[in-house]
Amino acid sequence: GQNIDQPTEMTATEGAIVQINCTYQTSGFNGLFWYQQHAGEAPTFLSYNVLDGLEEKGRFSSFLSRSKGYSYLLLKELQMKDSASYLCAVGSGGYNKLIFGAGTRLAVHP
Amino acid sequence: ETGVTQTPRHLVMGMTNKKSLKCEQHLGHNAMYWYKQSAKKPLELMFVYNFKEQTENNSVPSRFSPECPNSSHLFLHLHTLQPEDSALYLCASSQDGETGRGGKLFFGSGTQLSVL
Repeated sequence: GQNIDQPTEMTATEGAIVQINCTYQTSGFNGLFWYQQHAGEAPTFLSYNVLDGLEEKGRFSSFLSRSKGYSYLLLKELQMKDSASYLCAVGSGGYNKLIFGAGTRLAVHP
Repeated sequence: ETGVTQTPRHLVMGMTNKKSLKCEQHLGHNAMYWYKQSAKKPLELMFVYNFKEQTENNSVPSRFSPECPNSSHLFLHLHTLQPEDSALYLCASSQDGETGRGGKLFFGSGTQLSVL
């Protein structure tokens, strides 16, 4: 079956670093996406990994290990506005098939 | 502003009502999607349209009926819904159909639907 696991909730302190993990088991793999979703708003694209390794984009980085079915999103220098849900999604099985995890709700405290 | 607009933002309907959700994208994309987001559950893909043609129906009950008159507009017609259909319904678009190959999705803010 298709399965994507990520922690339900995490808390962190402003200015700190937090790592959100995602493990997946899917019948195909065309890449892994991370989206950010603030409460009541649209999910917005953060990153895409298709090859193993680390992709860095400002304060956010995303890592992928295809052999382990594992990814993480790393957020540095946390800000209050980073409080949101972070959705891990895998492209699987050809066109238009994006399978989402349930999301990790991150709360950043002062 | 993501370039994808959904209306209405909130909708309350009875089980015997008929209503429609509307989505419009101003990004020149060729693929449009309906997703369902329930509390503490993963986003569920419902329908996909590529160049106005439906390419995916993810075993969605017939009480949900999509319509895509052109590449910029997408509707979801609702009739005789059940209380368990209450959820956030998200529309999305992408440049083409290849979301699984790096084509990222642009989402609307969704319609929060409550079925009484």
